[in-house]
This record gives sequence, structure tokens and C-alpha cells, in this order.
Amino acid sequence: DGGITQSPKYLFRKEGQNVTLSCEQNLNHDAMYWYRQDPGQGLRLIYYSQIVNDFQKGDIAEGYSVSREKKESFPLTVTSAQKNPTAFYLCASSTTGSLGEQYFGPGTRLTVT
Amino acid sequence: RKEVEQDPGPFNVPEGATVAFNCTYSNSASQSFFWYRQDCRKEPKLLMSVYSSGNEDGRFTAQLNRASQYISLLIRDSKLSDSATYLCAVNSGEGTGYSTLTFGKGTMLLVSP
Repeated sequence: DGGITQSPKYLFRKEGQNVTLSCEQNLNHDAMYWYRQDPGQGLRLIYYSQIVNDFQKGDIAEGYSVSREKKESFPLTVTSAQKNPTAFYLCASSTTGSLGEQYFGPGTRLTVT
Repeated sequence: RKEVEQDPGPFNVPEGATVAFNCTYSNSASQSFFWYRQDCRKEPKLLMSVYSSGNEDGRFTAQLNRASQYISLLIRDSKLSDSATYLCAVNSGEGTGYSTLTFGKGTMLLVSP
């Protein structure tokens, strides 16, 4: 089955700890994205990457970091510098080109206390 | 980043009804538009893509009005299973080679028996 996987589904951390969220895709898509969604809010773009070893900041990149060492993988690290890390994190991928439809993974729900 | 606006609803309709949602966008350069369906605590799933004046898929019709800068989603013969939040997304990456989407906050639809 082709698709996007995110793990874990639920994640609990103490304040002050860094945490890394996994995102893997086998759709052979070049572009990958990270969004966060807060209750009653739209999706906000954190980081995106079109090719391996290259990525761009989105609208709310502060307190987050990413890497793109492989085409299939785009992990997101939520650092202790992120002031409000509790949210629903969604990874997406698309073909290259500005008309590409984005497809989402099942998401990781992060709770930081 | 340009904005995308949606009426949050909820839209309460009986089974079998026809319902329409609008989504306005501010980036006049956008060329591609998407409707996603999101169930509670799940990831968004792509419902329809709109690249020209409109698109139709079964009971669902999406139309684009470039002059007034809005897209609409029409659902005919509503089913209970159509109950969800419908997210509008507008491609903000025109000219960049990236598919960077700006999402609205979504419109909630509740279909009752």
C-alpha cells in the first residue's frame, strides 16, 4: 500500500524536552510538508522540502527543526524553544510543481505538560 | 501569506438536502484550489481539485469564480456520512515550483436523519 505514515499517533512529553516526530512516505513524492493544527484552527505550515537536503521555513518555523536526508523521510523536531507545542501535527507530500495535490499522513497528537 | 476565509458553520441539514459552502481567497495569482474533508481528530483527505472553472465528482461539484475570488463546494443529496469539516486550500506557491497551500479554518457540516 502506498501512503504516508506518521509515528507515534499520540505522544506525551514534559516541558523542556525536545521531541522528534516521524514521517515516511512511499509515494515517490519529491515534496514533503509539516503542518500543525490547533483546535478550531486551520492548518499552518511549519516547514517544507522539495528535494533531499533542502528545506524551507513556513509561516511558523520558530521552535522547530527538520532534516531531509532521504526522499522518503522528513522528521520534525519540536524543540524546547517552541512556546506552545501541544497540537496535532500533520505531514503531507506532493509531486513537484506548483499544481501538486498534497496528501496527508494520519498525524501525531503531541501533548506537552 | 495571503488569506483564505470560510464560514465556520455548523451547517445543519437534513438527509437528502443540497448544501453549498463558499471559500474566499485574497491571492489573485492562485491557479489551483482544493477541497479537503476532515473527520473529527483525523487527517484531511483530498476531496476535489479545481484548476479551471470547476469540477464535478458524483454528488460533489466545485466551482471557481476568479472575478470574485471564491470557490464553492456543492453537495447534493446529503448523506449522514457527509458530516465532517470541509477545508478549502489555495495554492500560494505559484511561480515558485512549490505546492504551498494556504488553508481556511474549515466549514463544519452536520447531516441529520
